[in-house]
Amino acid sequence: DGGITQSPKYLFRKEGQNVTLSCEQNLNHDAMYWYRQDPGQGLRLIYYSQIVNDFQKGDIAEGYSVSREKKESFPLTVTSAQKNPTAFYLCASSMGVWPQHFGDGTRLSIL
Amino acid sequence: AQSVAQPEDQVNVAEGNPLTVKCTYSVSGNPYLFWYVQYPNRGLQFLLKYITGDNLVKGSYGFEAEFNKSQTSFHLKKPSALVSDSALYFCAVRDYGQNFVFGPGTRLSVLP
Repeated sequence: DGGITQSPKYLFRKEGQNVTLSCEQNLNHDAMYWYRQDPGQGLRLIYYSQIVNDFQKGDIAEGYSVSREKKESFPLTVTSAQKNPTAFYLCASSMGVWPQHFGDGTRLSIL
Repeated sequence: AQSVAQPEDQVNVAEGNPLTVKCTYSVSGNPYLFWYVQYPNRGLQFLLKYITGDNLVKGSYGFEAEFNKSQTSFHLKKPSALVSDSALYFCAVRDYGQNFVFGPGTRLSVLP
């Protein structure tokens, strides 16, 4: 079945450490997105990519970085510059006017 | 800029009663509108969309939504609520750049 796979499901970060969240899709979608969700809040866009080797900052890109070397993959790195990284991170993909498909998220916590 | 409002943080309804989750939007041009549902510790699942055509859109799990251009609303409805419908519901609008703007979410609780 086609879908989006996010890993790991739970991740812990130490102070000063960078961590990378994986997002892989086999839907052949051009566009991919990273969102951050905090308790009781909606989704905030971190980065998005409409095509391979190109990506754009979203509303809250500071302290995060991404790459898009392959159509299927859009990893997110949470850097040590992100001072409040504890959140639920969601990856999504879409094609044209069709709705986004979402992965099941990665919950990041601080040790 | 596009924006989406969901005026109710929480909606409570008794099982078997009709439910409505409200959404209003602001967008330049014709809107592409979506509803998603989120269960705990899961991603968002697509329920239904409005792109063009009939104002009443039918979606998954018996949900439907009514597009009202004059009121810039896209309320989610279901004739008879189930306890299993209890979840977090998000309304979203898509702009021409393929980006989606989400509302803050409405938590639906269906009471047995």
